[in-house]
Amino acid sequence: NAGVTQTPKFQVLKTGQSMTLQCAQDMNHNSMYWYRQDPGMGLRLIYYSASEGTTDKGEVPNGYNVSRLNKREFSLRLESAAPSQTSVYFCASSEVGRNYGYTFGSGTRLTVV
Amino acid sequence: EDQVTQSPEALRLQEGESSSLNCSYTVSGLRGLFWYRQDPGKGPEFLFTLYSAGEEKEKERLKATLTKKESFLHITAPKPEDSATYLCAVQGPGGYQKVTFGTGTKLQVIP
Repeated sequence: NAGVTQTPKFQVLKTGQSMTLQCAQDMNHNSMYWYRQDPGMGLRLIYYSASEGTTDKGEVPNGYNVSRLNKREFSLRLESAAPSQTSVYFCASSEVGRNYGYTFGSGTRLTVV
Repeated sequence: EDQVTQSPEALRLQEGESSSLNCSYTVSGLRGLFWYRQDPGKGPEFLFTLYSAGEEKEKERLKATLTKKESFLHITAPKPEDSATYLCAVQGPGGYQKVTFGTGTKLQVIP
């Protein structure tokens, strides 16, 4: 039972480079999310997808784009990486309903130099 | 703007020494309050959802309670494997995408 799988686990980018973070879930959840976690800041929502075919901005969307490829997969793209995007990125999924929390992946630790 | 404040930032307990973690929140129209556990290098793991004042949830040595302004995570007779960062989050009326997380309490349980 894999849950939410994120790749890669670690990445170092140079300023200006681009990359895509991949996320896949096998729980048949409708909703998927991308968060970043920085020391002292708490988890902050970048983008979310309420259902297949829809995406919306969260709290900190600038510098990122997303694609909900199908019900299972939700990718996050950095078009031109900046040092301020150094962070740990988490993908999460959830079912719609009052009793469900999020299921998180294990994260991608990204460093932009 | 929704706000979540967790205290203390860090807590060190002897094995078997019970204590409580606090989560104070400000939200207009609470839809749910969530507790998560996060181990180093891993993603948060869902523990509980609480919906209304007076509600309580239990899981092994953990018990979460909710009032109109705060939630407590009580840890009874903790063991070293309970060491982790515990995160609190609130969901406001904006929907399940409007979830605000606190910065967490880092718990260390010493044998």
